[in-house]
Amino acid sequence: GESVGLHLPTLSVQEGDNSIINCAYSNSASDYFIWYKQESGKGPQFIIDIRSNMDKRQGQRVTVLLNKTVKHLSLQIAATQPGDSAVYFCAESTGGYNKLIFGAGTRLAVHP
Amino acid sequence: DAGVIQSPRHEVTEMGQEVTLRCKPISGHDYLFWYRQTMMRGLELLIYFNNNVPIDDSGMPEDRFSAKMPNASFSTLKIQPSEPRDSAVYFCASRQGAAKNIQYFGAGTRLSVL
Repeated sequence: GESVGLHLPTLSVQEGDNSIINCAYSNSASDYFIWYKQESGKGPQFIIDIRSNMDKRQGQRVTVLLNKTVKHLSLQIAATQPGDSAVYFCAESTGGYNKLIFGAGTRLAVHP
Repeated sequence: DAGVIQSPRHEVTEMGQEVTLRCKPISGHDYLFWYRQTMMRGLELLIYFNNNVPIDDSGMPEDRFSAKMPNASFSTLKIQPSEPRDSAVYFCASRQGAAKNIQYFGAGTRLSVL
């Protein structure tokens, strides 16, 4: 498939549990922080974003938390399902919406 | 809509050959992006277009790489001559101006340069 076999940190969870994926960022001037999901053989898919002046945003089964003091971003997935198995990337957007800087990614493995 | 369409899905070529990757963005999207994904460097932005005009090509690794967008429904990324270190998965993405951070990615082209 069209994905790279990255040697990524892996988070293993049981189906039904909550998952927390963490990301550290470097640029204090970033305007937005975004989470993308990449399933095997596919391109990244937008999940949720958060503006830099917010500290929490909720979507459907997902919550993103932003801690600007320690430059930390997290994605919480409630009631994790097998379909959530993928690589998750955080990204920063600075000076507009077009130049996204992606993190290295975390692999989420959901076990039945 | 069928989403962003890339072709070919796989390309195997020999060092020194010209490679052309193709992308059809989602209809109505006015931004188009080319990315490269490798094990070592992750996902990197190479170039992006707005209304068919290249806006920022600072991510293009060297002069061997070029990209064009002759019209709103088609873009190409060309590598000439190709080198083994160009082996990667290349993604095209598009977005609508008002959608800000939501880029829609194609399935990618896996390029292997032998």
